[in-house]
Amino acid sequence: SAVISQKPSRDICQRGTSLTIQCQVDSQVTMMFWYRQQPGQSLTLIATANQGSEATYESGFVIDKFPISRPNLTFSTLTVSNMSPEDSSIYLCSVTNLAESYEQYFGPGTRLTVT
Amino acid sequence: AQSVAQPEDQVNVAEGNPLTVKCTYSVSGNPYLFWYVQYPNRGLQFLLKYITGDNLVKGSYGFEAEFNKSQTSFHLKKPSALVSDSALYFCAVRDGGGSYIPTFGRGTSLIVHP
Repeated sequence: SAVISQKPSRDICQRGTSLTIQCQVDSQVTMMFWYRQQPGQSLTLIATANQGSEATYESGFVIDKFPISRPNLTFSTLTVSNMSPEDSSIYLCSVTNLAESYEQYFGPGTRLTVT
Repeated sequence: AQSVAQPEDQVNVAEGNPLTVKCTYSVSGNPYLFWYVQYPNRGLQFLLKYITGDNLVKGSYGFEAEFNKSQTSFHLKKPSALVSDSALYFCAVRDGGGSYIPTFGRGTSLIVHP
């Protein structure tokens, strides 16, 4: 299994600002994902972070709003840009190492509140 | 296309009783099926998976699930529930021959009463 850490664990931000969330994995992994989750609800996939190339975004999510970086096999960042209260949510980093298994492992999440 | 349904928003069970959390799925190819649990204010944790082989799979914390191909179901079960099992449970599916990205169900809140 992989151990994943996220920073920050929570933040309160003002409308119009940007926040960058970091995801660090303790081992090299094949795939890294970013999800959004409203408390008590299901997960919505934002994008797949690709090493050394542009992320693959799901319908309804765009790079200008959610730029993602993945410089290596253990680290990724998600930026939430020009935030509005509608961006208030929990953001989860998730990884899969296809060389070893099929399941996903999740970080503890970043709870974002936009005022 | 792939999809998963968790028909119950909430399941209530008394401590010591058996529990079942339901999941049905739809995929074009071979299903890869997963269960995850989320405790309050925590990330999701992997419980168990079915990829191939024995239809009854066992996972963490005494949970098990049975793959039923004819009913396209993958219900999560535990013989004797604990209060500490109270959490949000997610079923997920992906097509074994297709995308690496799974589809998650909407989640079922399990409440175990003392």
